[in-house]
Amino acid sequence: QVQLQESGPGLVKPSETLSLTCDVSGYSISRGYHWGWIRQPPGKGLEWIGRIHHSGSTYYNPSLKSQITISVDTSQNQFSLKLSSVTAADTAVYYCARLLGSTHFFDYWGQGTLVTVSS
Amino acid sequence: QSALTQPPSASGSPGQSVTISCTGTSSDVGSYNYVSWYQQLPGKAPKLLIFEVSKRPSGVPDRFSGSKSGNTASLTVSGLQAEDEADYYCNSYAGNNFVVFGGGTKLTVL
Repeated sequence: QVQLQESGPGLVKPSETLSLTCDVSGYSISRGYHWGWIRQPPGKGLEWIGRIHHSGSTYYNPSLKSQITISVDTSQNQFSLKLSSVTAADTAVYYCARLLGSTHFFDYWGQGTLVTVSS
Repeated sequence: QSALTQPPSASGSPGQSVTISCTGTSSDVGSYNYVSWYQQLPGKAPKLLIFEVSKRPSGVPDRFSGSKSGNTASLTVSGLQAEDEADYYCNSYAGNNFVVFGGGTKLTVL
């Protein structure tokens, strides 16, 4: 069974960089698929942030592209998100998920982690 | 890219059918058969219900079905059950390796 688990600080100061990691178990990232990040502000809908292929190819939401870096570490079977220059608007539950790149749906999701941006 | 348009709320009585719409444009829903639907129970992560417009993953009851016409995709929940009360989100491929979500629909079972 594929499982994903997000980890990282729950509180980040404005203008700093938000850093999250997604640990994957039950499936080797190097075998394929794409691995993505989605966020959900409190009480609001889902927003796609970006994704990475095991080869390292990345695809980002154009509205967030200047802030985002997604990387993969196949030796640790994990992938990571960095979101720079955060503001209160970046407060959200952040989910990692597995994405089938050819048909663009998310079949496995992490439980999500709340990140609050506040001084 | 703008979010796909979903009604904020929908409701139905147990045993009834409810359909939730998801309206996009000719650049996303209208151009690709890569529409997926997700169910989000309170405090939980989204769960895949439908992919490629109308396909169900293993384990999803056949009470859930999907369809598409033009720029609008739809999710139908037949034989409503109390456990179906949740938020539902659509998602579509929009080209250039970009996907977009709908704003979400809160389904209430009366």
